[in-house]
Amino acid sequence: GAVVSQHPSRVICKSGTSVKIECRSLDFQATTMFWYRQFPKQSLMLMATSNEGSKATYEQGVEKDKFLINHASLTLSTLTVTSAHPEDSSFYICSARPRGGSSNQPQHFGDGTRLSIL
Amino acid sequence: QKEVEQDPGPLSVPEGAIVSLNCTYSNSAFQYFMWYRQYSRKGPELLMYTYSSGNKEDGRFTAQVDKSSKYISLFIRDSQPSDSATYLCAMSVTGFKTIFGAGTRLFVKA
Repeated sequence: GAVVSQHPSRVICKSGTSVKIECRSLDFQATTMFWYRQFPKQSLMLMATSNEGSKATYEQGVEKDKFLINHASLTLSTLTVTSAHPEDSSFYICSARPRGGSSNQPQHFGDGTRLSIL
Repeated sequence: QKEVEQDPGPLSVPEGAIVSLNCTYSNSAFQYFMWYRQYSRKGPELLMYTYSSGNKEDGRFTAQVDKSSKYISLFIRDSQPSDSATYLCAMSVTGFKTIFGAGTRLFVKA
């Protein structure tokens, strides 16, 4: 149980392209989803918290116009990296917290998207 | 001072060894403690989830929480090469975001 699917797993594209990453909770509903960025050999850096039906909450230093987040349903959140540049190249990981029960239920992660901007 | 401190390693052990992974933290309000395993180029996978102090065992894995010392541990018995991964500790308090450690890279040699 608690499977999170993230797609695509790998993206290589030219500078200036916008890239959309999908995060789906397959066997549970998720009121809250999270988007992280991870650089090699470093820990997770929270970018934003996505709540179904409302605007995402971005962490300090994360440009909300650059990283567009949409959480349209209880099973789907999307991250769009707009006008991507080489410095946006990274490993992006989503996670989801099951709906209901304690707000401290653990997060379950997708397998990440490796984004490379040429 | 970071809220959660975790030695990045790497930690290298022979197959069959008992592995001890640890985190310390500064926020005494943390109530929920987690350990995740992350293989290279994959997302973290939840291994253990505990509330407050005490021990929890699941197969070869044992999680310990000592709130008085602000110290948590993950023990892996009979370690296998397939246990080679990065292990992340994480903790949270009601209503606030989860804080992750930097992760410890573990290598189990056959």
